[in-house]
Amino acid sequence: KAGVTQTPRYLIKTRGQQVTLSCSPISGHRSVSWYQQTPGQGLQFLFEYFSETQRNKGNFPGRFSGRQFSNSRSEMNVSTLELGDSALYLCASSRTGDYGYTFGSGTRLTVV
Amino acid sequence: TQLLEQSPQFLSIQEGENLTVYCNSSSVFSSLQWYRQEPGEGPVLLVTVVTGGEVKKLKRLTFQFGDARKDSSLHITAAQPGDTGLYLCAGVNNQGGKLIFGQGTELSVKP
Repeated sequence: KAGVTQTPRYLIKTRGQQVTLSCSPISGHRSVSWYQQTPGQGLQFLFEYFSETQRNKGNFPGRFSGRQFSNSRSEMNVSTLELGDSALYLCASSRTGDYGYTFGSGTRLTVV
Repeated sequence: TQLLEQSPQFLSIQEGENLTVYCNSSSVFSSLQWYRQEPGEGPVLLVTVVTGGEVKKLKRLTFQFGDARKDSSLHITAAQPGDTGLYLCAGVNNQGGKLIFGQGTELSVKP
């Protein structure tokens, strides 16, 4: 059974640019959530989508946005990148969003 | 705001020793999960505890959920070098779809 696939694995961007990250969930999973992991703050919740609707949102600025497509694949966008956005971005999929989360390997974003 | 405090943050022990990691909150969670993360990879789910007072065992790992569903512990018996990694606890809030993570415990088991 295929796991959660995140692309790309590594990304280097310049301050001020924008970036789009992709997440393909496990087949049959309708919930996709995104997390930012940094050494200082740990894992922080960004948002969760269920059946194309944003159901939960964390405390991140509006520069962070996402969407989910009808096939449950999800994208996350960060506009006007800042140095502090450098982090490992993880997505997790779940059948219902209540439990049984499977994480992808993450996208390592470096902003220079 | 729901917070999870995990302790200790760092733990370096010798092979064969026992250890316990704690995860505490002032909030009630509908369930609590424990993950293990290797460098450069995403967290891997070890266990989910749902019922207050629940105890689950996974080989040498024992997980306990507090009676009030506000705290949890992970106990490892006879640690091995293969247990090295970042251990994370995460609470599921009542709305679902959102995991609140503790800061993690970096475990190093030396042969």
